[in-house]
Amino acid sequence: GAGVSQSPSNKVTEKGKDVELRCDPISGHTALYWYRQSLGQGLEFLIYFQGNSAPDKSGLPSDRFSAERTGGSVSTLTIQRTQQEDSAVYLCASSPRGPTDTQYFGPGTRLTVL
Amino acid sequence: GESVGLHLPTLSVQEGDNSIINCAYSNSASDYFIWYKQESGKGPQFIIDIRSNMDKRQGQRVTVLLNKTVKHLSLQIAATQPGDSAVYFCAENMGRRALTFGSGTRLQVQP
Repeated sequence: GAGVSQSPSNKVTEKGKDVELRCDPISGHTALYWYRQSLGQGLEFLIYFQGNSAPDKSGLPSDRFSAERTGGSVSTLTIQRTQQEDSAVYLCASSPRGPTDTQYFGPGTRLTVL
Repeated sequence: GESVGLHLPTLSVQEGDNSIINCAYSNSASDYFIWYKQESGKGPQFIIDIRSNMDKRQGQRVTVLLNKTVKHLSLQIAATQPGDSAVYFCAENMGRRALTFGSGTRLQVQP
């Protein structure tokens, strides 16, 4: 079946603009995660959705970052008033039930803030 | 505090040799460990996992070893191939929200 998909694959924006990144998880997966990966670095947790529960936002670096998950499926990560330090690859993952399951990653969205 | 780290940033091996990538973790409460492979321009790809009630798990050409006494995790790749060239991440999960990743080891396979 289809894996996790993300769009766009690349996004170039100007400092101060807002951006929206989209994630389509694997069908039937109840858990969805967003991570950020800076150049040459490991993955940094941002936010986690589990079913209808309130999301765990503890990894969001500032209030400029927010995410939604509609209908328990598609998720959108929004970054407002982008800064150059927001430049990174944003990765989405999903898992069948929760954090103790294997997480399957999408290809990521490379964000460049000029 | 929590940390998951890797001993070597880059590992270069000859094609056909066995590769061993190491990882240290600091939280003794961690109960689930995963190895991911990431090729350039792609998202991390699951390789193998192991739970804390095991000390060894084997897959196809890969073996993960867990030493809870010294909080050490390793990934062994048998008969390394050019297609194995990538960055390898270990990650730990304590049953909480997400994974804690190490900084990665780049594996370079020389023909």
